[in-house]
Order: sequence, then C-alpha cells, then structure tokens
Amino acid sequence: EAAVTQSPRNKVAVTGGKVTLSCNQTNNHNNMYWYRQDTGHGLRLIHYSYGAGSTEKGDIPDGYKASRPSQENFSLILELATPSQTSVYFCASGDWALYEQYFGPGTRLTVL
Amino acid sequence: QQKVQQSPESLSVPEGGMASLNCTSSDRNFQYFWWYRQHSGEGPKALMSIFSDGDKKEGRFTAHLNKASLHVSLHIRDSQPSDSALYFCAASPSDNNAPRFGAGTKLTVKP
Repeated sequence: EAAVTQSPRNKVAVTGGKVTLSCNQTNNHNNMYWYRQDTGHGLRLIHYSYGAGSTEKGDIPDGYKASRPSQENFSLILELATPSQTSVYFCASGDWALYEQYFGPGTRLTVL
Repeated sequence: QQKVQQSPESLSVPEGGMASLNCTSSDRNFQYFWWYRQHSGEGPKALMSIFSDGDKKEGRFTAHLNKASLHVSLHIRDSQPSDSALYFCAASPSDNNAPRFGAGTKLTVKP
C-alpha cells in the first residue's frame, strides 16, 4: 500500500514563530496535497503540487507557503504562525492513474 | 463557500442495518466523486470512486451518482461497529485535479 509519512506528528508553536511541516512519500506519485481539518469544515485544501518544483494555491492559501524540492518531499511553511492556524494538517499523494489520494497520519499543530 | 455539501452531519444505525449518506456538489464542473473514511486518530482512506452515472458496488458499499443533479450517495449494508467513522465525500473537475472535501458525516454503528 502507498505510504505517506509526516513529521512532526505533534507541534506546539508560539504566535509569530515559524513552523515547517514535512511530508514524504515513497510511491513516486506526481501529485501531493496539503489539507487542514477542522470540526465543521472537513478537509480544506491549502496548497498542492503536480511535481518537483511546482506549487499551486488551494482554497485557503493565506498565511501558508509550500515547497516541493523533490518528487518525494512536500513541505508546508507557516512564516508567522497565528492561533487561527491551530489545526490538524494532512498531507496526501496521488496520481491521475490511481483515481485516489493516499493520506498521511496527520500533524496536530497548536499555536499558543 | 464549500463546493461539496454532505448530509446528515451524524447518523446512528444498529449493527446489521443500512446506512445512507448523501453528498451534493454546488459546482457543475465538479463531476468526479470519491468517498473516504476516517477512523479516529488516522488519516482518511479512500473507499471508492465514482465517475459515471448509476451504481458502483464494492462489497457492502454501494455508491450512486446522478450527474444531472450532481448528487452522490453511499449506502452501507449490514453495517458493522468497525464501520463507525467519519465519512467524507470529495469531488473534483477532473480525475487529476485536487479534490475538494465536504464537512463529513459521522457514522455510529451500535452493537
């Protein structure tokens, strides 16, 4: 089965601090995605990528940057973290031929 | 505004019963649909995709898509306590475009 790993699994940050969430997939999928999950909103798309070097804005990109330095790695960067960014963040990978996404276990981020 | 709406928010069925979940897209471009399931503390996992009008059956799970109304449903027969989870509907304009998710339906199957 396709494997996606995320690090860290839990993170406590201070307001105004920089946070980097990392995602790695070893399945050679072209596409990777970052979502956040909040009660009542489900999963909301932040950024996604079609391959190394590419990043695209999703529906809620404000306050977030993304980086795809290689096929395997996709990072989400919060330059100036705010309490409203407290959430659970999921990374996913997929390929058009697979017709589905594979999700990582999530990172719980708390911004104090 | 979310492009994918799900109902009900929560649902409780007895073990062995039928669970029915609904999903509608508000964007006529979104015609590719998926159902995902998320158990507590885990990431979502794909149950099935449906891209054509009609029914698609995989084991105890049956999805039905009506493209004219952009409505998709998921029916789980012979529900088991292990089916208790959060169910998400996702939709996209094409099979290679980033899917958007609904808010989810929390299913509880009572023994």
